[in-house]
Amino acid sequence: DAKTTQPPSMDCAEGRAANLPCNHSTISGNEYVYWYRQIHSQGPQYIIHGLKNNETNEMASLIITEDRKSSTLILPHATLRDTAVYYCIVRAWYNNNDMRFGAGTRLTVKP
Amino acid sequence: NAGVTQTPKFQVLKTGQSMTLQCAQDMNHNSMYWYRQDPGMGLRLIYYSASEGTTDKGEVPNGYNVSRLNKREFSLRLESAAPSQTSVYFCASSTQERENSPLHFGNGTRLTVT
Repeated sequence: DAKTTQPPSMDCAEGRAANLPCNHSTISGNEYVYWYRQIHSQGPQYIIHGLKNNETNEMASLIITEDRKSSTLILPHATLRDTAVYYCIVRAWYNNNDMRFGAGTRLTVKP
Repeated sequence: NAGVTQTPKFQVLKTGQSMTLQCAQDMNHNSMYWYRQDPGMGLRLIYYSASEGTTDKGEVPNGYNVSRLNKREFSLRLESAAPSQTSVYFCASSTQERENSPLHFGNGTRLTVT
């Protein structure tokens, strides 16, 4: 069973912020939210993860709602190279076999 | 550091043939994984290895075997390939020792079974 729900596709203008939503209403207390992306047919690339606090790194920001039932990945200044499929995954960090990739959101950044 | 290296990059097999997909990582990670990705779909876990000497089934293990040869290498074997195994295969590794342990992926092996 899918643990997350994401829109199948989104568009974003180059230079604008891309906000990618994810619903994870059944998330457990020990589960983190992870985001990966896959460009063309390359291997997925880790972006960011968080438990309950907002997180930021050089690639993106992650906003998790207070009830932890949803989150938003923010790419502050999207570029054409950010066009990719973005996956939102929830899992307990110690569970080796629980990284379930759904269909993700296909983000297209347009000039 | 090369990260996670997969060989070969492309392979075409006839139904019933066998082959082994190779994966090696140079990050001293304990855990390694094999995923498959079918067109338009997300990745599905085939097998994983939490540490050297251990392997466990994932979501779609039927038709595959694995070997954790040492800490660096984790191979995936198809004993009798079937057209349903046409897919892109990704190997990944992680430390799995702390919460900040993302998966690092190779660039995949594109397998076609005719």
